[in-house]
Amino acid sequence: ETGVTQTPRHLVMGMTNKKSLKCEQHLGHNAMYWYKQSAKKPLELMFVYNFKEQTENNSVPSRFSPECPNSSHLFLHLHTLQPEDSALYLCASSQGGLDTTNQPQHFGDGTRLSIL
Amino acid sequence: AQSVTQPDIHITVSEGASLELRCNYSYGATPYLFWYVQSPGQGLQLLLKYFSGDTLVQGIKGFEAEFKRSQSSFNLRKPSVHWSDAAEYFCAGDSGGGADGLTFGKGTHLIIQP
Repeated sequence: ETGVTQTPRHLVMGMTNKKSLKCEQHLGHNAMYWYKQSAKKPLELMFVYNFKEQTENNSVPSRFSPECPNSSHLFLHLHTLQPEDSALYLCASSQGGLDTTNQPQHFGDGTRLSIL
Repeated sequence: AQSVTQPDIHITVSEGASLELRCNYSYGATPYLFWYVQSPGQGLQLLLKYFSGDTLVQGIKGFEAEFKRSQSSFNLRKPSVHWSDAAEYFCAGDSGGGADGLTFGKGTHLIIQP
């Protein structure tokens, strides 16, 4: 158990559906991240939130919409996705701030997303 | 551009044998470096990290890694592997200086032979 919980663990949706992925961390961290893990590709950073403010959007298509209502929760809202968006979506958290010395990222178990 | 490279996609090792997984980095300054392990259907678990100081770092599960600036490497080692070590291993780097996303290598799939 890593202290970072992602729900649901598995999600199957059609291209016209709207769904949301949820991430919750119980580690007292104030930075949260979304990553995409596709087969045969390195993990790709999607979004970074630091103290609830989005600090990085790594050229992610607008069909992915993140939301960070507080430092403990992070959502990824999905709409009109494409088949190539099928992947494992991983959430992570860290202490954040200006000095991240000795503060690595802790990952959840991910949501396996399949687009029909 | 910052990058992390894991040159080996698959590594097969006999149980009880020693292990070394390679990682090379390309950063303007000394990065923060990490090794993570991922079992099937699971997220990433941190094995060890290097920020500064002693270039040989110890991690969990008997793993260690050595930072070599001259070779831009941060190889992961274990003296004797167990069948439970079979997993995907990821090297990652962070330029530091604030909440920042990690740059990952493509991963090395470790297979343990009985």
